[in-house]
Amino acid sequence: RKEVEQDPGPFNVPEGATVAFNCTYSNSASQSFFWYRQDCRKEPKLLMSVYSSGNEDGRFTAQLNRASQYISLLIRDSKLSDSATYLCVVPGGGSQGNLIFGKGTKLSVKP
Amino acid sequence: DADVTQTPRNRITKTGKRIMLECSQTKGHDRMYWYRQDPGLGLRLIYYSFDVKDINKGEISDGYSVSRQAQAKFSLSLESAIPNQTALYFCATASRVYNEQFFGPGTRLTVL
Repeated sequence: RKEVEQDPGPFNVPEGATVAFNCTYSNSASQSFFWYRQDCRKEPKLLMSVYSSGNEDGRFTAQLNRASQYISLLIRDSKLSDSATYLCVVPGGGSQGNLIFGKGTKLSVKP
Repeated sequence: DADVTQTPRNRITKTGKRIMLECSQTKGHDRMYWYRQDPGLGLRLIYYSFDVKDINKGEISDGYSVSRQAQAKFSLSLESAIPNQTALYFCATASRVYNEQFFGPGTRLTVL
């Protein structure tokens, strides 16, 4: 299994739809996980941190399944402004505190 | 004002030239990172620094060097630029306690 793997998409959904992205990781010792959002040619921005089983922030919910080694991001009531690439991020191996970034899942929300 | 700044934002240079990309932060973070991003390859770590005296190679350090001039400043140098170093370069910072990284706006570098 790759260190972190995401479905590249693109996911094309209508406004108001619910969409979910999954991400699998290989390091079973990982403790903290993140979802970042990246707009075209812009810097990645932290969307959510996941330290336990999950986290919810408004329309966004992140869930962690340690047994199966995957994390998910659920977006409810999609907005046009949600169109972006979503990066799954997991801790790298060792004690360096480095992060491993997935290649991202592209979301396009249409009117 | 932005917490993490990068200069220049765009740069076009020629093969063989020496280039320096600069990163400054006002977040007070100890840890700083340099990444490059290429289409289809995602973010790849070039170098990272946990404090002024601690510099470490990342996944793809060949052809690059760095300098941590102060807690707030971390520079990336390409000693002799080559075309396959054309990419989007990001600087990032993180605190010692939390793993979340915060990114600068990026430098788009083109090597002709």
